[in-house]
Parts: sequence; C-alpha cells; structure tokens
Amino acid sequence: NAGVMQNPRHLVRRRGQEARLRCSPMKGHSHVYWYRQLPEEGLKFMVYLQKENIIDESGMPKERFSAEFPKEGPSILRIQQVVRGDSAAYFCASSLDLGRSQPQHFGDGTRLSIL
Amino acid sequence: ILNVEQSPQSLHVQEGDSTNFTCSFPSSNFYALHWYRWETAKSPKALFVMTLNGDEKKKGRISATLNTKEGYSYLYIKGSQPEDSATYLCAFKDNAGNMLTFGGGTRLMVKP
Repeated sequence: NAGVMQNPRHLVRRRGQEARLRCSPMKGHSHVYWYRQLPEEGLKFMVYLQKENIIDESGMPKERFSAEFPKEGPSILRIQQVVRGDSAAYFCASSLDLGRSQPQHFGDGTRLSIL
Repeated sequence: ILNVEQSPQSLHVQEGDSTNFTCSFPSSNFYALHWYRWETAKSPKALFVMTLNGDEKKKGRISATLNTKEGYSYLYIKGSQPEDSATYLCAFKDNAGNMLTFGGGTRLMVKP
C-alpha cells in the first residue's frame, strides 16, 4: 500500500518563477494537509483540503500561494513569483477521515530552493 | 497562536539507556495529541495518537502518557538503541480546527 507520494523531491527555481508541488495521498484518503518547514524552524500548517474544496487555509500566505485538490489527480501547491524566503521543505499529509484517533500520514517532502 | 513546547531540544544517550522527553500544550480545548518519529531526509512517521486524559500507549520499547488537565505528554524509550536516533515530534490538535500544531521536536542521538 503506497504511502503519501510527493514530487518532485527537490525543486530549484529562480526568483520570479512559479513552483508547483504535487501530492498524491494514500489510497482511500480524501483529506490532504500541507505543512511548511522553513530553515531552522518547525513544521507549520498551511492548508487543509478535501476533494475539490479548500476547508482551512488559515496558514497560507495571502499572496502568491494557492492550493487545489481536484476530483481527479494529485493535490497541487502552487507558488507564483517565488522569492528567496520561499525556500523551505514542503510536506503533504493525508488522513482517512477526521476521526479523533486518526493520524496524519506524511510524504517525504519537497525541498524547494530559490536561486 | 497555540503554544506547543518540547524539551529538551536535543539529547545524547548511550545505547541501553532509558530516556524520556516532554511535550507541553494548551490545557483548554484539547482534542488529540500526536507523536511522530522523524528521521533525517524521510517523512515523519506516526507513533501514537492520544485522546483521553490518563491515556498510556505502548509500541515495543516506546511508550507515551497523557495529562490533558495540566497539558503535558511524556514519551519514554526503554533501552535506547542506535536506530532510535531521530527527531521526536509532538503535535496538538484542538477541537476548533483541523490542523496539527507541532512542537519544535526533541532530537535524540543514541551512541553505540
């Protein structure tokens, strides 16, 4: 049973370019979460999505960042016009449902470097 | 902003030592407390999800306790092995939201 798959593992972009990060949740999971780890900091929540819906984006920067989880295909975290401060590790997690004892299962992350 | 603190930040022990570390979290609006094990360049792996005050969970040599009234959880490792070396994260979930709020982690290094 494949776990949460993220790609690419490493992504290098120049300032001003766009970055697209993909996440395929575990089979049967319809709840997807994105977290960011800035250098020397801990994991911070960005956004929570269910199929075709953004449920909670309270941790997402207001500009340049967007996320989607379409009916078919992976969840996408999109960063437009990247800046140096966007360099971070971005982790995706999925859960089967919102049950109290449900863990979130994490992918290996995408390390984004901005030149 | 929810405050989740872990201590110590890092810990060096000898193989065979038993060790424990702490996660403190808000004592109000508690929903669940998660523990994860995170090895470098890999994904965080779920160890325990704890939901009830007084919960004790065990998986092999690793166990955890929960006190929601005072807002802390302990993670214990009995007879540490070099393969236990990792960062151990706790994450708090309140009953108002969907997100996990992570502590900064405790980095454990076990010397053979």
